Amino acid sequence: DSGVTQTPKHLITATGQRVTLRCSPRSGDLSVYWYQQSLDQGLQFLIQYYNGEERAKGNILERFSAQQFPDLHSELNLSSLELGDSALYFCASSAGGLQGETQYFGPGTRLLVL
Amino acid sequence: GQQLNQSPQSMFIQEGEDVSMNCTSSSIFNTWLWYKQDPGEGPVLLIALYKAGELTSNGRLTAQFGITRKDSFLNISASIPSDVGIYFCAGQTRTGTASKLTFGTGTRLQVTL
Repeated sequence: DSGVTQTPKHLITATGQRVTLRCSPRSGDLSVYWYQQSLDQGLQFLIQYYNGEERAKGNILERFSAQQFPDLHSELNLSSLELGDSALYFCASSAGGLQGETQYFGPGTRLLVL
Repeated sequence: GQQLNQSPQSMFIQEGEDVSMNCTSSSIFNTWLWYKQDPGEGPVLLIALYKAGELTSNGRLTAQFGITRKDSFLNISASIPSDVGIYFCAGQTRTGTASKLTFGTGTRLQVTL
């Protein structure tokens, strides 16, 4: 158990819909990261938040957005969903800054868009 | 998106055999990491490498950070059935509090008795 929790574990929705994925980092970790894992693209970094602020951005679509709240949990919002958005979405956390950047992954949310 | 080149893509070996896999990149990374992913689970960190040329062991696992900072290898000695899974390398770039992992394409390991 990495200490990172993600909900829901599974999500089935339709094209055009909007969903929110939630992540709680390990206790004390300030950084949260979101990744997408699909069969054709592998594991891709989407975005990082550190103590409530966006710090790094990867291949995140404009239809996707994220935020980190004062209690350090994070949400990834996916809108106008397309079939190709079906994937595993992972959240990871790290202590952040000088305390270390080793990222610990949650169990993931499996999204299926029909 | 960018992915690191990882080889082999898959391996089918017998229990007790040693395994070697490697990862190459066109970019330099501050840190190299090796993760294992079991079906339906998130990646679990196996080994982290922080300095070029560093050789690090974790039980039956040994990994090295290439001297050019553009490659890494992972060896597993005396494989056992629970080593089955997908192994990913990852290169990390860090600037201040911004951090990003770029993952390899994965090596699927299957172990037979």
